[in-house]
This record gives sequence, C-alpha cells and structure tokens, in this order.
Amino acid sequence: AQSVAQPEDQVNVAEGNPLTVKCTYSVSGNPYLFWYVQYPNRGLQFLLKYITGDNLVKGSYGFEAEFNKSQTSFHLKKPSALVSDSALYFCAVRDMNNNAGNMLTFGGGTRLMVKP
Amino acid sequence: GAGVSQSPSNKVTEKGKDVELRCDPISGHTALYWYRQSLGQGLEFLIYFQGNSAPDKSGLPSDRFSAERTGGSVSTLTIQRTQQEDSAVYLCASRDGLAGATDTQYFGPGTRLTVL
Repeated sequence: AQSVAQPEDQVNVAEGNPLTVKCTYSVSGNPYLFWYVQYPNRGLQFLLKYITGDNLVKGSYGFEAEFNKSQTSFHLKKPSALVSDSALYFCAVRDMNNNAGNMLTFGGGTRLMVKP
Repeated sequence: GAGVSQSPSNKVTEKGKDVELRCDPISGHTALYWYRQSLGQGLEFLIYFQGNSAPDKSGLPSDRFSAERTGGSVSTLTIQRTQQEDSAVYLCASRDGLAGATDTQYFGPGTRLTVL
C-alpha cells in the first residue's frame, strides 16, 4: 500500500527566509505526487504535482518541489517565505487502486508558520 | 470558472439524527471523491464515483454512511443515526477523469459536521 510521511507537524520560518516542508513516500511503481495547501476554514488548494519529467516542479504562489527518487522524497520549497504562506500543507500520493479512482493518500499535514 | 461547491458549509446536529451533505463538482468532471478530515484520522478517503457508479464502497466507515451521484453531477453523502465520532470536515473533490490518473483533483470548501 502507498503511504506518505510528513515528519514535521510544524515548521517555523521568518518572512523572507527560504522554507522547506518535508515529504517522503512509499509506493509500488511510479509515484504520482501532489502538494496541497489548506487555509483556515477552507478546502484544499492544489499547488503542484509531479508525474514525470524534470525533478524540479514549479507550482502556484512561487512554490516548487523537488522529486528525489533515491531518497523517496518530494520536499516543498520556496525561496522567500511570506506571512501569507502560513497555512496547513499536505503531501499526497496517487493510489494504485483503480476501483478507488486512483484516490489520493495524504500525509498528516505540516503547519507552516511564517513570522514577520 | 466555478469550482467545486459543497453545502451546507456547517452543520450541527444531534446524535442519532440523519444528515445529508451535498457536493456539486466542476462542470464536466466525471470523477468525484469524498474524503473526511478529522483530528485523529487526518485526511481519509471515503468513496469514489466515476459517472454515477461507485466501484468500491469499502472506504465508507460504517453502514450508516451511504453516497449517491445522479446525472453524473451532484453527489450526496448521507450519514444515518449520526454519532459524535462522525464529527469532521467532509471534503468533496472532482477531476476530469478523461486524462487518466494524472489528473489533478480539485477540492471544495468542505462541510464541517458537528454531532452533539
């Protein structure tokens, strides 16, 4: 079965500094990986995905993620954090179960706090 | 364009009552998903529809939960005889369904269910 781990419950970073939110995965076959962000009392917003191709994926709001097959990681990064980036971030992997529509298996989430 | 919408946004009910949650997917999206987000369980998959058909209902937590989709569009998730452990945010997502599993799932804002 697929699984995703986000080892940090919370990440604190000062505004203007680079940020990294970590994600590791375990899948059989090729991994299809996603990052979503959730602001308070809102649903999940898609940030970016890795399907194939370049290991560095660029997404919305200046975020990017680096796929590393040997380390089975897909860390989310941003060169310069904004206070408005403070939110809950979820990493997810596509499941291989076709009967479940290749639904997403999510990590536990990481709360990002960006301080002025 | 219009995204995924869900109603109600909040629902407070008494233990033992039935509730019905509604999801209106992005127009033209054939695949629809229900997830549940709770403090103890994180984000968990409940059920998937391709068109009006749900191939696998094993993700539903108990036989008190049921879901249907009509006309390949709107879906309803029904919880009968609600229990306090059903309190959670219920999220709906849809995807195109035609480009394969690499499609992105787009989420609605969720329904926050509180069972007293």
